[in-house]
Amino acid sequence: NAGVTQTPKFQVLKTGQSMTLQCAQDMNHEYMSWYRQDPGMGLRLIHYSVGAGITDQGEVPNGYNVSRSTTEDFPLRLLSAAPSQTSVYFCASSYGTGVNEQFFGPGTRLTVL
Amino acid sequence: GQQLNQSPQSMFIQEGEDVSMNCTSSSIFNTWLWYKQDPGEGPVLLIALYKAGELTSNGRLTAQFGITRKDSFLNISASIPSDVGIYFCAGHGGPWGAQKLVFGQGTRLTINP
Repeated sequence: NAGVTQTPKFQVLKTGQSMTLQCAQDMNHEYMSWYRQDPGMGLRLIHYSVGAGITDQGEVPNGYNVSRSTTEDFPLRLLSAAPSQTSVYFCASSYGTGVNEQFFGPGTRLTVL
Repeated sequence: GQQLNQSPQSMFIQEGEDVSMNCTSSSIFNTWLWYKQDPGEGPVLLIALYKAGELTSNGRLTAQFGITRKDSFLNISASIPSDVGIYFCAGHGGPWGAQKLVFGQGTRLTINP
């Protein structure tokens, strides 16, 4: 199993541009989530999904959009990038619809100029 | 943001020393998790705790779920260079909902050989 994969590894955007961060898992996990990590802030939940077709907001959802059309994929869309969205983004998944014991991807480092 | 209070924020120790870090919250949790993050990687789960008072070991790591359900600690015995990294606590099942993990700010561990 590849586990949780994320692409791209690095990305630089200009203010106002849009893009999609990709996340996929091959463990048949129902629960998937997106976090952002900023220095000294730990990880903060952006959006999560408990299964295909079901998504909900986390702690910091503004400026981000998600959809879950398949069990495997959970893309994160930045609608109009802002410098405040410069961060490292992690996707995670866990077995069943619970959030326990999440497996994390390697992260996407995003810089917005 | 809704985060746990993790301390210390950083530790500088000699190889072979024991390490102790803890996490506290004003709210109770049903689950405590401890993760380690290496540079440029996503967090990896070390220990999961599910019952108040539970004491669990994973090699040289030992973690406990506080009896009040509002705290947890992680101990590392006889530290080695590969223990370097950032350690995060995470709580589940508190007032932020059953589908969300809340993370501490992290403890950065540095080891002098």
